Amino acid sequence: AQSVTQPDIHITVSEGASLELRCNYSYGATPYLFWYVQSPGQGLQLLLKYFSGDTLVQGIKGFEAEFKRSQSSFNLRKPSVHWSDAAEYFCAVSPPGGDYKLSFGAGTTVTVRA
Amino acid sequence: SAVISQKPSRDICQRGTSLTIQCQVDSQVTMMFWYRQQPGQSLTLIATANQGSEATYESGFVIDKFPISRPNLTFSTLTVSNMSPEDSSIYLCSVEEQGAEAFFGQGTRLTVV
Repeated sequence: AQSVTQPDIHITVSEGASLELRCNYSYGATPYLFWYVQSPGQGLQLLLKYFSGDTLVQGIKGFEAEFKRSQSSFNLRKPSVHWSDAAEYFCAVSPPGGDYKLSFGAGTTVTVRA
Repeated sequence: SAVISQKPSRDICQRGTSLTIQCQVDSQVTMMFWYRQQPGQSLTLIATANQGSEATYESGFVIDKFPISRPNLTFSTLTVSNMSPEDSSIYLCSVEEQGAEAFFGQGTRLTVV
C-alpha cells in the first residue's frame, strides 16, 4: 500500500530564511506527486505537482520541489520565506495515470518568526 | 480552475442527528471526492462520488454512516449520519480537473456536541 511520510511535524523559520520541507513516499511505481498548503481557516491550495519529466518543478508563491527517484522523495523548498507562508503543508500522492485518489502525509506546520 | 462551493461552511450539531453537506462546482467534472480532516490530522479519503451510481467507499467508511449522492456532474452531497463527537472534523469536497489535479472546496467544519 502506498504511504506518504513527512518527517517534520513542525518547523520554525525566520522571515527571509530558506525553507525545506521533506516528503518521502512508498509506492510500487512513481506516483503523481503534489504539495498543498492550508492556511488557517482556509481550504487546500495546490502549490505544485509532478507527473513526469523535469525533476525540478516550479510552483506558485515562489515554491519549488525536486523529485528524486532514488530517494523516493519530493522535497519542497523556498529560498526566502515571508510571514504569509506560515501554514500547514501537505505532501500527497496519487496513482500514476490512475484514479486520482490522493493519499496525504501527516502535514508539516510552518511557523515564521520575525 | 474549478470553483467549488460547500455548504454549510460550519455547523454545530447534536449527537444522534444527521447533517448533509453540499458541494457545488461551477463546471462539469468527472471525478468528485469527499475527504475528512480530523482535528490536528491529515486528510483521509472517504469516498469517490460517482455520477448516477453508488459511491465507492474507502476502507473504514461505510454507506450507512456516510451516504453520498451525485445526481449530476456539478453537484454532490455527503451526509454524516447518527453523529457522535468523534465525527467532529472538517469535511472537504474535491474535484479532479486538468488531468489528475485536484481542487478543494473550503470545507465544512463540523462540531458534534
